[in-house]
Amino acid sequence: AQKVTQAQTEISVVEKEDVTLDCVYETRDTTYYLFWYKQPPSGELVFLIRRNSFDEQNEISGRYSWNFQKSTSSFNFTITASQVVDSAVYFCALSEMNRDDKIIFGKGTRLHILP
Amino acid sequence: DTEVTQTPKHLVMGMTNKKSLKCEQHMGHRAMYWYKQKAKKPPELMFVYSYEKLSINESVPSRFSPECPNSSLLNLHLHALQPEDSALYLCASSQAPVSGYNEQFFGPGTRLTVL
Repeated sequence: AQKVTQAQTEISVVEKEDVTLDCVYETRDTTYYLFWYKQPPSGELVFLIRRNSFDEQNEISGRYSWNFQKSTSSFNFTITASQVVDSAVYFCALSEMNRDDKIIFGKGTRLHILP
Repeated sequence: DTEVTQTPKHLVMGMTNKKSLKCEQHMGHRAMYWYKQKAKKPPELMFVYSYEKLSINESVPSRFSPECPNSSLLNLHLHALQPEDSALYLCASSQAPVSGYNEQFFGPGTRLTVL
């Protein structure tokens, strides 16, 4: 069965600190896709990244980086030099190829960046 | 244009009212989605339209009635709702055909309160 676990419900860090959000997933498919979405207080979910199961390369985009490890079924997200604008709820999500368009979301991690 | 718009932003309705939520995208996407999100929870899928045809109904009560008049528009008709239906209703769109690969683009949501 598909499952996404974000064990950290809420994290608070002081601005400029680095922070890592954990995501562990379960799937029986060999082809699947992992996503991270950001939901600021305004409510709109913002797509951050997609990773397919055959691409284990880590990715960096500015202050954001993602570490995908199939051996531990994890897809962790690190924000370097955090800023107040990074305060949001972050969702990790999983979809499987040809699985009826469904995305399975984790429960989300609420991130507070303190000035 | 990478925007999904939703109207209204806020809606308060009584249990006997009939109202509609509207969603529009101009990205040429042929898959559109309705999600319901309760406070501090991840989005829950309600309906999926693919090429203007309803492809998924996640056993949603009939007091919610979706409609896709054309490839850019998605409506959610509401009738005889219950207070527990109060939530943030999110619309999303993605490219089609759907395969789990395509990221979804979300609108800002309609915050619904049922009195």
